[in-house]
Amino acid sequence: DTAVSQTPKYLVTQMGNDKSIKCEQNLGHDTMYWYKQDSKKFLKIMFSYNNKELIINETVPNRFSPKSPDKAHLNLHINSLELGDSAVYFCASSQGQGFNEQYFGPGTRLTVT
Amino acid sequence: AQSVTQLGSHVSVSEGALVLLRCNYSSSVPPYLFWYVQYPNQGLQLLLKYTTGATLVKGINGFEAEFKKSETSFHLTKPSAHMSDAAEYFCAVSDRTSGTYKYIFGTGTRLKVLA
Repeated sequence: DTAVSQTPKYLVTQMGNDKSIKCEQNLGHDTMYWYKQDSKKFLKIMFSYNNKELIINETVPNRFSPKSPDKAHLNLHINSLELGDSAVYFCASSQGQGFNEQYFGPGTRLTVT
Repeated sequence: AQSVTQLGSHVSVSEGALVLLRCNYSSSVPPYLFWYVQYPNQGLQLLLKYTTGATLVKGINGFEAEFKKSETSFHLTKPSAHMSDAAEYFCAVSDRTSGTYKYIFGTGTRLKVLA
């Protein structure tokens, strides 16, 4: 069983479209994250939820909206996609924060044309 | 705010040679430190972490890292490289300067293992 799963794995879309990425974890963790990894492999936190409450909201355009319907799911909706949104988006989860390991999903490669 | 510096975006070693990947952090208090590995087209996987206690930390796949507070370093080593070690390695620090813990990642080091 995959611990942290994301769908879809690949997403190719045109500028201006709206798309969503879904994430699910079956580890029973209470904290989930979205990261963006750019073409140079730089990894940056975007959002984090703890028990469905938003606790980290980095400087991200408000076209990006996370939603956590329950502790096991964290979705990312992106409106009006731009070329610069092309990246790999990773979902992760952990039990608590701080010194606990984060478990990463396989990533969603988003290409905006 | 914390920052993490990984010296060398690309490192090449011969199979069987020592692997040394460097990581320095900026912090006025002892942080939580991590090394993650990313194989091609995969997510990140924890290699090892330092929280408190013993400064030499052993991880999976024969890797270890030593926390040196005086040098603000957490370098990753492996005595003998294997072809399967070829991957991207990320050092990370768990930062709480904004009130909530979050990972700050280094820019990554791509390890190439030569036959």
